[in-house]
Amino acid sequence: DQQVKQNSPSLSVQEGRISILNCDYTNSMFDYFLWYKKYPAEGPTFLISISSIKDKNEDGRFTVFLNKSAKHLSLHIVPSQPGDSAVYFCAAIVNDYKLSFGAGTTVTVRA
Amino acid sequence: DAGVTQSPTHLIKTRGQQVTLRCSPKSGHDTVSWYQQALGQGPQFIFQYYEEEERQRGNFPDRFSGHQFPNYSSELNVNALLLGDSALYLCASSFRTGRTLDTQYFGPGTRLTVL
Repeated sequence: DQQVKQNSPSLSVQEGRISILNCDYTNSMFDYFLWYKKYPAEGPTFLISISSIKDKNEDGRFTVFLNKSAKHLSLHIVPSQPGDSAVYFCAAIVNDYKLSFGAGTTVTVRA
Repeated sequence: DAGVTQSPTHLIKTRGQQVTLRCSPKSGHDTVSWYQQALGQGPQFIFQYYEEEERQRGNFPDRFSGHQFPNYSSELNVNALLLGDSALYLCASSFRTGRTLDTQYFGPGTRLTVL
């Protein structure tokens, strides 16, 4: 059961511009949402999270927006940098134990 | 701080064999979760260990089993390997305070290939 979906497998953006990654979910019981970044040959690295009781969380260049009524969240990266080229996973958690991941979006930042 | 470590990095097995993967959690963490990541997909939750017991389990058959040791390190065992078990196996550690689980930190993974 794919409860977290990332419908865009890839995204190409020019350096300095905004990257917007989208994620949809089906389980209304999710109480926490996270974004992870993954480079080849490395494990996923925690990037930013948001509680289900908030609609926005910001950390430096990264901002996550949550729209509970639409069961949708997005990650904004401004400005995009070459080091941001990686696979980004959206994940959600319920009852504090199991992360449910989307399939990932590969971001390529062009110089 | 060494972070989460996993061994081995790569492993090649044949169908029907058994495999053991190992994980050492980040210093200060007491909970270990295991995930399977097939090619082109996101990680799928296998199970979670806390206080040396399996606390939660995902939709994986009994061929997948695990263990957690007193020092919080963990093993994942897979019996009767199938071709479909070929994947990247990720270990994640976290710190549990009461019922709240802190952010999970991942190791680099073990790439298992079943021939």
